[in-house]
Amino acid sequence: SQQGEEDPQALSIQEGENATMNCSYKTSINNLQWYRQNSGRGLVHLILIRSNEREKHSGRLRVTLDTSKKSSSLLITASRAADTASYFCATDQWGNEKLTFGTGTRLTIIP
Amino acid sequence: EAQVTQNPRYLITVTGKKLTVTCSQNMNHEYMSWYRQDPGLGLRQIYYSMNVEVTDKGDVPEGYKVSRKEKRNFPLILESPSPNQTSLYFCASSRLGEKLFFGSGTQLSVL
Repeated sequence: SQQGEEDPQALSIQEGENATMNCSYKTSINNLQWYRQNSGRGLVHLILIRSNEREKHSGRLRVTLDTSKKSSSLLITASRAADTASYFCATDQWGNEKLTFGTGTRLTIIP
Repeated sequence: EAQVTQNPRYLITVTGKKLTVTCSQNMNHEYMSWYRQDPGLGLRQIYYSMNVEVTDKGDVPEGYKVSRKEKRNFPLILESPSPNQTSLYFCASSRLGEKLFFGSGTQLSVL
């Protein structure tokens, strides 16, 4: 079963704009992670945020976590053509290392 | 170089012909996992392993087998493949509770 669901399913923006995608999940989590996948390739880890954290930054990436709403957002600032990819959130629960992925957001950056 | 190595990259087979997809990691990770990726369904977990000789079912284990006899290897076995197992498969590994490292994927077609 899918724990996380990303929104929107697809997003197209102009290069230089900011991109925001959201992830909602159903049950309490231990960690939430974001991954990027370039077409047909293996996923690459972006950021891990723990349930007791509210915000995390890494370069042009900003992740927020709202455990009361069971949601997270990924913001990519000053987008570049190379950011074109699919983005997935993944969650695990306390005492269970099983990592469950959402269905992903397909991001297209228009040059 | 730290990596997860999956083989083969592409595989075409016929219904009922047993096959094995190999996965090996060189990072001494405890956790290993297999996912399948299908359009519109995101990544779904097939099996995972927390350590040697410890394996557990994911969300879609039917028709698959795994073994974890050594820490570095986690092969995926399809005893009698069927067309509905045509998919893109990923192996991944991590330290417990940390980010996943993914292999490059295996595109399997079952005719």
